[in-house]
Amino acid sequence: QVQLQESGPGLVKPSQTLSLTCTVSGGSISSGSYYWSWIRQPAGKGLEWIGRIYTSGSTNYNPSLKSRVTISVDTSKNQFSLKLSSVTAADTAVYYCARERGSGRRFFDYWGQGTLVTVSS
Amino acid sequence: QSALTQPASVSGSPGQSITISCTGTSSDVGSYNLVSWYQQHPGKAPKLMIYEGSKRPSGVSNRFSGSKSGNTASLTISGLQAEDEADYYCCSYAGSIVVFGGGTKLTVL
Repeated sequence: QVQLQESGPGLVKPSQTLSLTCTVSGGSISSGSYYWSWIRQPAGKGLEWIGRIYTSGSTNYNPSLKSRVTISVDTSKNQFSLKLSSVTAADTAVYYCARERGSGRRFFDYWGQGTLVTVSS
Repeated sequence: QSALTQPASVSGSPGQSITISCTGTSSDVGSYNLVSWYQQHPGKAPKLMIYEGSKRPSGVSNRFSGSKSGNTASLTISGLQAEDEADYYCCSYAGSIVVFGGGTKLTVL
């Protein structure tokens, strides 16, 4: 059974960089045709896809966040990471990591429990 | 890329059926048979309920079904149960990116 777990600071100051890591267990991040995504949800609002990475290192980002987002992968640690720069209060949200099926299938079958990140001074 | 359009709320009584619509464009829902639906209870992570428009993952009740016509996808829940009360989100592949709907709150009366 694949499990994902987000980790990182719960409080980030405005203008700084938000950094989160997702650790994958129960399977290798490099096996199979999967993408690894970040999705966020402000309190009381809907889901917003941030971006994804394939284990080859190729990435796709939400156009509205692309200038501030970097997603990377460390296959040796079975982890992938999110960096979001120049954060403001609008970036306060629960951040989820998720596995996205590839090979033309495209759905999120496993999710982390989510981690709340608050942007505040 | 704009969010997919869902009704903010729907409601139904136990045993009834409800349908949640998800309207996109020819760039997302209309171009790909890759709409998925997620159920989210308060404080929990989303759970996959329907993928590729109409397929159910193992373990998901057959009371949940999905369909698509043109630029609009739909999720139908039959035989409503109290445990179905949750938020529901549609999601579509849109050519290298993903777009979610705004979410629909289902109330079981």
